[in-house]
Amino acid sequence: DAKTTQPTSMDCAEGRAANLPCNHSTISGNEYVYWYRQIHSQGPQYIIHGLKNNETNEMASLIITEDRKSSTLILPHATLRDTAVYYCIVGESNTGKLIFGQGTTLQVKP
Amino acid sequence: NAGVMQNPRHLVRRRGQEARLRCSPMKGHSHVYWYRQLPEEGLKFMVYLQKENIIDESGMPKERFSAEFPKEGPSILRIQQVVRGDSAAYFCASSPNTGGKTEAFFGQGTRLTVV
Repeated sequence: DAKTTQPTSMDCAEGRAANLPCNHSTISGNEYVYWYRQIHSQGPQYIIHGLKNNETNEMASLIITEDRKSSTLILPHATLRDTAVYYCIVGESNTGKLIFGQGTTLQVKP
Repeated sequence: NAGVMQNPRHLVRRRGQEARLRCSPMKGHSHVYWYRQLPEEGLKFMVYLQKENIIDESGMPKERFSAEFPKEGPSILRIQQVVRGDSAAYFCASSPNTGGKTEAFFGQGTRLTVV
């Protein structure tokens, strides 16, 4: 079973920041938090991952709480092409396999 | 550097036939994962392989399904005697190492339709 819980769906206005929350209260000390997204029926696309520090790349920022029990993915300026299902995943530290939950369907609206 | 390549992109098989799905990982990646996505459902882990070794096959159905990742060539997911319930999108991912420290990159998938 997935070790994360996410809201089923969210809306965001185009050009605004999209903040996607994720709870992972049972995360272990050596497990990473990963975010992927799946646009329509394409292959999942890696977005970002982190262990305990906040992370930023060209796509997004990842904010991890100090107790590591939750995190937030931030898309700073959402576009219509960011409409997708976003998956927050706690990666298994020994195998790297990903256990996908149901994710959050983000709808970016004009 | 080409991404993860899967072929064929679409595969149609009659019930009882065999399906062979191929995955070429990214250059330098020695870890391969297969996932299945049934219609309108999420992705489910099937199997994790390294070169010539199956590391974790806890998500593979016990019968008719097998996977390999030979020393040379692509990883193969093989489904024998396909049934309608095998119709799904099968995604392959690769990573350069394990330990949960690095991201995995996914291919565009093979859509299997069993008629």
